[in-house]
Amino acid sequence: AQSVSQHNHHVILSEAASLELGCNYSYGGTVNLFWYVQYPGQHLQLLLKYFSGDPLVKGIKGFEAEFIKSKFSFNLRKPSVQWSDTAEYFCAVILGGYNKLIFGAGTRLAVHP
Amino acid sequence: GAGVSQSPRYKVAKRGQDVALRCDPISGHVSLFWYQQALGQGPEFLTYFQNEAQLDKSGLPSDRFFAERPEGSVSTLKIQRTQQEDSAVYLCASSIQGVRDEQYFGPGTRLTVT
Repeated sequence: AQSVSQHNHHVILSEAASLELGCNYSYGGTVNLFWYVQYPGQHLQLLLKYFSGDPLVKGIKGFEAEFIKSKFSFNLRKPSVQWSDTAEYFCAVILGGYNKLIFGAGTRLAVHP
Repeated sequence: GAGVSQSPRYKVAKRGQDVALRCDPISGHVSLFWYQQALGQGPEFLTYFQNEAQLDKSGLPSDRFFAERPEGSVSTLKIQRTQQEDSAVYLCASSIQGVRDEQYFGPGTRLTVT
């Protein structure tokens, strides 16, 4: 069963546009939430994570994500994208007491100068 | 410092051949994870080690897949009698302690079964 859904597979933006990438999970219990990014030619790396507390999480490079429990969502946002944000973005979740990270299918972001 | 390394980076195998994929985690990292990433998909969990103990192998797709980490550092993922559906990128990741710590990923091994 698909536990993590990323709605957009490809997003194209111009520099300075605002970004919001959707992520929804299907699980009623406690979750730990992550966004990973893979820049062209590089390894997957962690952007930000949410475990508990303030539902608005700030990550590296000006990214932030908001956990909305009632909507089972953890959308990634950036107010103004740069060409260097061109990458593939993966939402991931750990469900309850399980020991595995479950990834969404990813969203490819292309930012045009 | 050195990150997670994997070898080989690319492997072409004829259907039915056995392959072995190696992962060198970051020194001192207790946890090690293997993932399989098919084209156009996100990584899918295969298995998880804490030191030399394989704590979760629920993601291994069949008994043709076997992973080991005998001394708690280097790990090998072995696929016996490869099939075309095994073609994918195999990613290794390590973390300081457990699954909730930041996982550091290697570059992956792209396996093509012909």
